[in-house]
Amino acid sequence: RKEVEQDPGPFNVPEGATVAFNCTYSNSASQSFFWYRQDCRKEPKLLMSVYSSGNEDGRFTAQLNRASQYISLLIRDSKLSDSATYLCVVPGNTPLVFGKGTRLSVIA
Amino acid sequence: DAGVIQSPRHEVTEMGQEVTLRCKPISGHDYLFWYRQTMMRGLELLIYFNNNVPIDDSGMPEDRFSAKMPNASFSTLKIQPSEPRDSAVYFCASSSGGPQTGELFFGEGSRLTVL
Repeated sequence: RKEVEQDPGPFNVPEGATVAFNCTYSNSASQSFFWYRQDCRKEPKLLMSVYSSGNEDGRFTAQLNRASQYISLLIRDSKLSDSATYLCVVPGNTPLVFGKGTRLSVIA
Repeated sequence: DAGVIQSPRHEVTEMGQEVTLRCKPISGHDYLFWYRQTMMRGLELLIYFNNNVPIDDSGMPEDRFSAKMPNASFSTLKIQPSEPRDSAVYFCASSSGGPQTGELFFGEGSRLTVL
């Protein structure tokens, strides 16, 4: 299994929809996980951290399943402005291994 | 507050030329990272520094790549000689915690095209 794997998408969803992305990881010793957001032709920015079972911030919920070694990001009531690439990040043997990202397009 | 500052934002050069990318981290951050991003390979860590000292350069592709951090407010990534396969966006990032803390602050990137 690769260190971090994500479905590249794209996920095309209508405004108001709920969408979820999964990210699988191989390092069972990892204790913390992160979701970054990257807009087109911009730099990545931290969106959420996940330390235990999960984290919720407004319309965004990140969950961790240690047994199956995956984390998920759920976006409720999606907005046009949520269109971006979402990168899953897992600390590994080297600092912060980034997934290749899942591209989300929210359509009016 | 100023974020991470990178220059140049765009560079187009010919194969064989030397390329130097520059980075000014956020003041007070003692970790600095250089990443490269391509469509095929995603974000790859090239090298990172702690207190100006290179800690892990295992991601540096080959001897054509070198990085320095002469002081806490400046770092360079040099490619000599450049090749078309080096075309990518190069990001510099800094953080105040260790590499496992998760919050990196990225610069806007330097988009390199090698013809």
